[in-house]
Amino acid sequence: DGGITQSPKYLFRKEGQNVTLSCEQNLNHDAMYWYRQDPGQGLRLIYYSQIVNDFQKGDIAEGYSVSREKKESFPLTVTSAQKNPTAFYLCASSIPGRALRTQYFGPGTRLLVL
Amino acid sequence: GNSVTQMEGPVTLSEEAFLTINCTYTATGYPSLFWYVQYPGEGLQLLLKATKADDKGSNKGFEATYRKETTSFHLEKGSVQVSDSAVYFCALYSGTYKYIFGTGTRLKVLA
Repeated sequence: DGGITQSPKYLFRKEGQNVTLSCEQNLNHDAMYWYRQDPGQGLRLIYYSQIVNDFQKGDIAEGYSVSREKKESFPLTVTSAQKNPTAFYLCASSIPGRALRTQYFGPGTRLLVL
Repeated sequence: GNSVTQMEGPVTLSEEAFLTINCTYTATGYPSLFWYVQYPGEGLQLLLKATKADDKGSNKGFEATYRKETTSFHLEKGSVQVSDSAVYFCALYSGTYKYIFGTGTRLKVLA
């Protein structure tokens, strides 16, 4: 079955530590996205990538970094510079073509600070 | 800039009641419009979509009509079930690879 997988489901970060969230898709989608979701709030865009080896900052990129070395993979690193990282992180990808661009989401990773 | 405004929740209904969740948008051009649903602890799932004015998206008994004259895309269901309890997000895509999401509306359906 095609889809988006995110791992781990839960992640714990210590002060001053960088952590990496995994996102893999086998949908052959060109574009991939990372969103942050805080309780009772909508989704805020962290980074997005339209194509391999290219990515763009979203609305809240500070304290985060990404890479896009393969079409299937778009890992997100939460660096020690991100002072309030506790949130639910969602990865998404979008279908090729201009007309519709439906986004498909992974199951999410919940990041907690120890 | 582009934006999406949803009614605040929570919305609490009894089983078999009629549901409306309001969504209005601001965008240039002709955006595509979406409703997503999120169950507790999970990612978002596409519920329905519409790409042009007067299009009606429908799925699992839910419907929404793209109204350009009122810039709205309200979600409706004639008879809700307990299993419909979730958070519902309205969203738009107007190009440049970026999506705009509303803040979400929590629906609680009581048996």
